[in-house]
Amino acid sequence: EIVLTQSPGTLSLSPGERATLSCRASQSISSNYLAWYQQKPGQAPRLLIYGASSRATGIPDRFSGSGSGTDFTLTISRLEPEDFAVYSCQQYSTTPTFGQGTKVEIK
Amino acid sequence: EVQLVQSGGDLVQPGGSLRLSCAASGFTFSGSALHWVRQASGKGLEWVGRIRSKANNYATAYAASVKGRFTISRDDSKNTAYLQMDSLKTEDTAVYYCTRPNAGNWFDPWGQGTLVTVSS
Repeated sequence: EIVLTQSPGTLSLSPGERATLSCRASQSISSNYLAWYQQKPGQAPRLLIYGASSRATGIPDRFSGSGSGTDFTLTISRLEPEDFAVYSCQQYSTTPTFGQGTKVEIK
Repeated sequence: EVQLVQSGGDLVQPGGSLRLSCAASGFTFSGSALHWVRQASGKGLEWVGRIRSKANNYATAYAASVKGRFTISRDDSKNTAYLQMDSLKTEDTAVYYCTRPNAGNWFDPWGQGTLVTVSS
């Protein structure tokens, strides 16, 4: 099983700031089979990024994904009020696994 | 609109059983696999299992934590998938989501989630 470790656990930022979230895998993820999701309280996850760097339909271009192998990053260039949420990474190179999540909270 | 609508969550005693449903619309359900993912309160997402399409022999796979206790099935005539949960444990308490895999196995869309509480 591939274990995904996200850091930091919580990110305290102000609207307009840049957010950088990390997802590290216990072994290399082939073909960049990594996705990112956003989740707000009481809601289902929402797909943001797949294939490590491809934005899902309707996702604003302030969201970007990068990385390969074992190290991946989700960047939100300028935080909007609606972006404060929990973000999770998921690998689908093997049996799907998820990271534990990073909470982006208002400072 | 591609949509998954869930039903069936409830409070059940340890050792009991429950069946969750996931009704699909807006896409060719019969040609798609369907996965179940759960999330305990305040915890991360955990993959539970999946069922493939008829073309892939309705093959199922499960997480080790539920194997032998949970069963995923589907009725393509009703565009619905099911998660049968038996021998439930307190640690199965979670919100359960169904979700559709895309080209690889990234998940979109997701059902709205349904709460399963296992408690005496």
